[in-house]
Formats: sequence, structure tokens, C-alpha cells
Amino acid sequence: RKEVEQDPGPFNVPEGATVAFNCTYSNSASQSFFWYRQDCRKEPKLLMSVYSSGNEDGRFTAQLNRASQYISLLIRDSKLSDSATYLCVVNPYNFNKFYFGSGTKLNVKP
Amino acid sequence: DTAVSQTPKYLVTQMGNDKSIKCEQNLGHDTMYWYKQDSKKFLKIMFSYNNKELIINETVPNRFSPKSPDKAHLNLHINSLELGDSAVYFCASSQEPGIMGPQHFGDGTRLSIL
Repeated sequence: RKEVEQDPGPFNVPEGATVAFNCTYSNSASQSFFWYRQDCRKEPKLLMSVYSSGNEDGRFTAQLNRASQYISLLIRDSKLSDSATYLCVVNPYNFNKFYFGSGTKLNVKP
Repeated sequence: DTAVSQTPKYLVTQMGNDKSIKCEQNLGHDTMYWYKQDSKKFLKIMFSYNNKELIINETVPNRFSPKSPDKAHLNLHINSLELGDSAVYFCASSQEPGIMGPQHFGDGTRLSIL
């Protein structure tokens, strides 16, 4: 079983839509969680960290469900510029090891 | 100011050659990484160094040898390149162990083996 699993998509949504991605992780001892965004042929960039209590940054909301071992990312009022691949990242007990999901591709259409 | 910089950005070479990719970070981070992203876009860790010491080596062939002359640099040397080595290689850095912060990535090096 992979450490981190994501639905590869693509998710094709119209502008203004709300879209949600989930990501499951296998190691219950995982310590920290992140969502990264990767544009085509670019490097991954941190979108937001995911805190136990859930956190929000503008149109983006991240949540952690430790009991079911998944994290989620909700994007409200989608913009064309949100089109990218969203990578779920999990840092397990080993502080120096990060596991990346294979990414979920989002296409926001006019 | 570029936080994590890698060179070259593109590398096209023939099978069997030896090549190096350089990485430097000016963030003052203690930990640096090399990742490989293959054609399926899956990003996989190869190595991690903390304060010039190797701490993670993820079943990478011996042809790949990282070198860290100081904590701000982590270079990757690849011997006897093979077709399967074609990928994008990303360097990254993060704060010291125990501070579970995010990573900062370089722009990537696109390696193509002919």
C-alpha cells in the first residue's frame, strides 16, 4: 500500500465552482501534513499546511481527519488560475522524510 | 533572491555518460533533499542530508551519488546514465529535524537521456 494516495483526477469544474480533494495516508503515526500546488513543468510550491483543528486561507480550507487517516482540501469560488496539480504531502514519524501523493489534477474552465 | 537554485535547468545527454546536477539554498536550512519526478508525475524522495550528513537513501542505485560540501549545497552525480534516468530532478530544503515545516523546491532539472 502506498504511503499517500490521491485521486489523480482530472477534476474539470467551471469557474466559481467549489471543489474538494481527499488524500489518504497509511501511517497513523504521521505528524504533519501539507498541500502543495504544482503547475505544469514547474516545481511544487507550498499551498498550505494542514493543522489538526483545520485551517482556512482565503478560498482554501484544509482539514485533517486522524481517525480515518485522510486530509482534504476545499477550494471555493474556483478561478482559472487554480488550474494545477495538487499534491498531498505527509511527514511520518521520521522528521526528514516526506511522502508525496501522485497529485490530483484540477482544470477550471471558463 | 532565489531560495533554492539548481543547475542546469535542462540536461540532454547520451546513455552511458556521467553528469552532475548542483543545488544551493540560501535559506539557512539544515536539511536538503533530492527528488525524482518521473513521466507519471510521481514525486519520489531519493536522498536527504542534514548538516552535510546522509540521513535518507531510498533504494537508489549506486550510480547516483550525492555530495554535500556544506549544508547549503547538495549536488547529485550520476554515473553511467540509463534511459530510465530520464525525469525531472528536484532539489529541496527544509528546516532542521524536529521542526516539521514545509519544503522549498528548486526549479527542477529536466534530464533527457538519448
